[in-house]
Amino acid sequence: DTEVTQTPKHLVMGMTNKKSLKCEQHMGHRAMYWYKQKAKKPPELMFVYSYEKLSINESVPSRFSPECPNSSLLNLHLHALQPEDSALYLCASSQDLAETQYFGPGTRLLVL
Amino acid sequence: AQKVTQAQTEISVVEKEDVTLDCVYETRDTTYYLFWYKQPPSGELVFLIRRNSFDEQNEISGRYSWNFQKSTSSFNFTITASQVVDSAVYFCALRGYGNNRLAFGKGNQVVVIP
Repeated sequence: DTEVTQTPKHLVMGMTNKKSLKCEQHMGHRAMYWYKQKAKKPPELMFVYSYEKLSINESVPSRFSPECPNSSLLNLHLHALQPEDSALYLCASSQDLAETQYFGPGTRLLVL
Repeated sequence: AQKVTQAQTEISVVEKEDVTLDCVYETRDTTYYLFWYKQPPSGELVFLIRRNSFDEQNEISGRYSWNFQKSTSSFNFTITASQVVDSAVYFCALRGYGNNRLAFGKGNQVVVIP
């Protein structure tokens, strides 16, 4: 079962709001990823967690704050976002950093 | 540096036609991994195939087939007898050995016309 779930599916937020995106996998994978994807573009890597520790931060602005509470869960906390942050946010997981990444359905975020 | 080029941005075909998506890659790594993902309008990236650099065998899975040629640094993808459900964006991606980042191509938008 290669399933990664993400909630919510859609999110609309104002620039002063605080919200969180959630990602969950029950495949026993030890690496989890956040990507941002703008329309008609490929996904861009934001963060990588390996064994619940932050492994890669691709110079993402501090208004995005990742959290990995346990090996199955990955959160992305959002605060004071800008309209240009509107995008599809994809979560992925893999057995470890060397293995194939499996993606969730994404959260479509609109910042007003 | 790793780079993936998918030259064709949008391809339209009539149902039941074959469509081939080209993927050309650049890497200095001698060991690397190539991937194809499908992204339907719903947004999820669906994993289709992974190919290791030391395995040049072509692969067929139903109506999908892949042609890997190291000599030309290409990993092309063919959909045979296309169906409307094949309408999606297809991404080719590359990861070098020891590199935790996937390098994606720009994607091919495939539109299958009934």
